[in-house]
Amino acid sequence: EAGVAQSPRYKIIEKRQSVAFWCNPISGHATLYWYQQILGQGPKLLIQFQNNGVVDDSQLPKDRFSAERLKGVDSTLKIQPAKLEDSAVYLCASSPGLAGVEETQYFGPGTRLLVL
Amino acid sequence: AQKVTQAQTEISVVEKEDVTLDCVYETRDTTYYLFWYKQPPSGELVFLIRRNSFDEQNEISGRYSWNFQKSTSSFNFTITASQVVDSAVYFCALSDRGSTLGRLYFGRGTQLTVWP
Repeated sequence: EAGVAQSPRYKIIEKRQSVAFWCNPISGHATLYWYQQILGQGPKLLIQFQNNGVVDDSQLPKDRFSAERLKGVDSTLKIQPAKLEDSAVYLCASSPGLAGVEETQYFGPGTRLLVL
Repeated sequence: AQKVTQAQTEISVVEKEDVTLDCVYETRDTTYYLFWYKQPPSGELVFLIRRNSFDEQNEISGRYSWNFQKSTSSFNFTITASQVVDSAVYFCALSDRGSTLGRLYFGRGTQLTVWP
């Protein structure tokens, strides 16, 4: 079974530029998550989708970040405009069932973003 | 509020030594799940184990074992006879019903280095 796919793996941009990340979850997984992992810290949830609906985006800086999950499958996360503090690894994860406390999340390899 | 503390930032051991990674959690919920993930240099978070709050049995999987103690709010992870391939950052995480279902709260991680 294929795991969670993410692209690109690395991205370097200058501040105020825009960038987009793509995620394809494990086939059949209903719930998709985007996390931000700053160097030296644990991942922090940005947004959670259940099928193609948003469950939680309370931690998403909506003035610059946006995300969508069209057709309830793959997802894109966009930053526009980027700031220096957005430099981080962006991890996508998926879980088989609907959002629940018992769900195990499976992570992709992440996209390492460096904002200069 | 939910919180996961991994007090050990870095641990270094020599191959074949046993090593224990500590995890202390905080939650007001009686139903919660605890997880351990491994993050090798490639960046992908690899799921290791999930434990629910009603199951305090210790778990052993090969060289890995986990000790869950509700009395001390701890969920410690032991690697027996460590190997160089065990070198990675290990994260402990918590999921409860106190906020968005399925949201994981991660500790800051413990960098384990196993020297040959």
